[in-house]
Amino acid sequence: EPEVTQTPSHQVTQMGQEVILRCVPISNHLYFYWYRQILGQKVEFLVSFYNNEISEKSEIFDDQFSVERPDGSNFTLKIRSTKLEDSAMYFCASTLRGQGPEAFFGQGTRLTVV
Amino acid sequence: GIQVEQSPPDLILQEGANSTLRCNFSDSVNNLQWFHQNPWGQLINLFYIPSGTKQNGRLSATTVATERYSLLYISSSQTTDSGVYFCAVELTFGNEKLTFGTGTRLTIIP
Repeated sequence: EPEVTQTPSHQVTQMGQEVILRCVPISNHLYFYWYRQILGQKVEFLVSFYNNEISEKSEIFDDQFSVERPDGSNFTLKIRSTKLEDSAMYFCASTLRGQGPEAFFGQGTRLTVV
Repeated sequence: GIQVEQSPPDLILQEGANSTLRCNFSDSVNNLQWFHQNPWGQLINLFYIPSGTKQNGRLSATTVATERYSLLYISSSQTTDSGVYFCAVELTFGNEKLTFGTGTRLTIIP
């Protein structure tokens, strides 16, 4: 069964460093997402991406965040200068189209900022 | 924005018991999904159920979209069912993103 894959599964980084989280969405999917879950809290939407541009972003997704689809298969989330409060589980998801179909989630990347 | 509330927040059961988890949402939706978050933090898709009833083994789910709620039933609970269960919805008239509920933490005791 097709799946969304994320790498790395766990990343530890020093405050102020840049990190790139990587995702390979399901191959025929067209909409891509990043979500975040701070430990013990609910999952929150960060950003959606379609047709090589951001279609929606939350207020969490400020200037330190960026997303990119550098080639036909990868989808990345970059955090430019990490803060302690960026420590969270980051999930990538993809859907075949917008509005309605099932979203498939990757296994997550646990980011720890020290 | 849309409100998604789950109840109960915590549930502790003996192995073999049955349980019902509830998800209430405040607006019209065209997607509703149930997830199980396992102890490693992974989100496992359980059901895509914007309306109607589905069953998968010991799990089943029902969504009554007109009354804005969904129920997840777990029968004959096993310790591997432990974890946090989330429902997530997508607004009918809104951008294509999921809004997650607050979750139900289920603990199954042997």
